[in-house]
Amino acid sequence: GQQVMQIPQYQHVQEGEDFTTYCNSSTTLSNIQWYKQRPGGHPVFLIQLVKSGEVKKQKRLTFQFGEAKKNSSLHITATQTTDVGTYFCAGPGKAAGNKLTFGGGTRVLVKP
Amino acid sequence: EPEVTQTPSHQVTQMGQEVILRCVPISNHLYFYWYRQILGQKVEFLVSFYNNEISEKSEIFDDQFSVERPDGSNFTLKIRSTKLEDSAMYFCASSGEGLKNQPQHFGDGTRLSIL
Repeated sequence: GQQVMQIPQYQHVQEGEDFTTYCNSSTTLSNIQWYKQRPGGHPVFLIQLVKSGEVKKQKRLTFQFGEAKKNSSLHITATQTTDVGTYFCAGPGKAAGNKLTFGGGTRVLVKP
Repeated sequence: EPEVTQTPSHQVTQMGQEVILRCVPISNHLYFYWYRQILGQKVEFLVSFYNNEISEKSEIFDDQFSVERPDGSNFTLKIRSTKLEDSAMYFCASSGEGLKNQPQHFGDGTRLSIL
């Protein structure tokens, strides 16, 4: 079945530094979604990318969808303590049920 | 902003007992989902529900699991005979006004602890 993998699993970042987390799918995706889960919280939708090669920005967050629509990345610049949490990418399945297959997540810890 | 609400926030149950987790999806949404997350692990799909029937389910969603939309607002997940490995956070989500692949809105979750 469809698999979605993310690296790194953990990211320790000094406050103010940049980092990137990567997401790879075993199958071509119609779109990719990114969610953020704060410690003890629930996944919160961040963004959806649909087009091949698409790049979207949300303030300090830059999301990219690969040309082959099988990979994606999230780049955060000037990391802040509010960026702490786990970032998941998720891809929809091909069946009608709209299920999302989540990656394992990148858990971000920020050192002040 | 409309929210998905889940009750209870924490459920402690003896192994072998039945448990019902409740959710109120966002009112104009048409797709409903249950996911689970074992502590420290990724979010796993259980089931999706559309037009009053299951549209897709995972291999986790075996005969011990069932879902229901008993009225116009609630969406429930029942586990008939709980096992220790059912201990997890269970998230309800909803999406869409009839469109596929719309972002999913998650509730705060129910932490299920099986003793």
